[in-house]
Amino acid sequence: QSALTQPPSASGSPGQSVTISCTGTSSDVGGYNYVSWYQQHPGKVPKLMIYEVSKRPSGVPDRFSGSKSGNTASLTVSGLQAEDEADYYCTSYAGSNNPYVFGTGTKVTVL
Amino acid sequence: QVQLVQSGAEVKKPGASVKVSCKASGYTFSSYYMHWVRQAPGQGLEWMGTIDPSGHNTIYAQNFQGRVTVTRDTSTSTVYMELSSLRSEDTAVYYCASENTTTGAFDIWGQGTMVTVSS
Repeated sequence: QSALTQPPSASGSPGQSVTISCTGTSSDVGGYNYVSWYQQHPGKVPKLMIYEVSKRPSGVPDRFSGSKSGNTASLTVSGLQAEDEADYYCTSYAGSNNPYVFGTGTKVTVL
Repeated sequence: QVQLVQSGAEVKKPGASVKVSCKASGYTFSSYYMHWVRQAPGQGLEWMGTIDPSGHNTIYAQNFQGRVTVTRDTSTSTVYMELSSLRSEDTAVYYCASENTTTGAFDIWGQGTMVTVSS
């Protein structure tokens, strides 16, 4: 099972938006609506930001949104703030034999 | 409060095994799938395997087949991950995570355990 493909980096100025893609196959991203996104600050534990493609857990700002088209999921961070600078990872359910696969990760920089 | 507390850092020699524990509190541990995820220094997250609520069924990532064993003890609300035949490339932070059965997302994470493999 190969890792999902994310761009290594993305950036934007405060107040701008940035969108991160997560490309898989019809066996993972394209086949299920169980795509999640995690934020990880340096030296910290990953934090769930989006689940089931586009839903936000309680406490996650509505500046974070998710979507999916075909085999590619996306995370958009609107109104960028300094604290959004972190690594972001997608993951998708990929079937009962090899249930989960993570993305390669994207470092978001707030300029 | 809901939390997963992992065992402390380990230093192992190549070829040895390591067993990391993860103790749950503040929620019904016995109802949830538990997962292990690792992160090598400067690298991304890698899913290793999972165990079902009963503890009878496990699934492991192909990369770890034959080397990893995940078990759980419902009486102590603890899940374990044992990795054998350690090599330097296994140096990483190992995380346990609880899967929300409704959403399929990992919504509770342990603090991570650093495992260093060095001769």
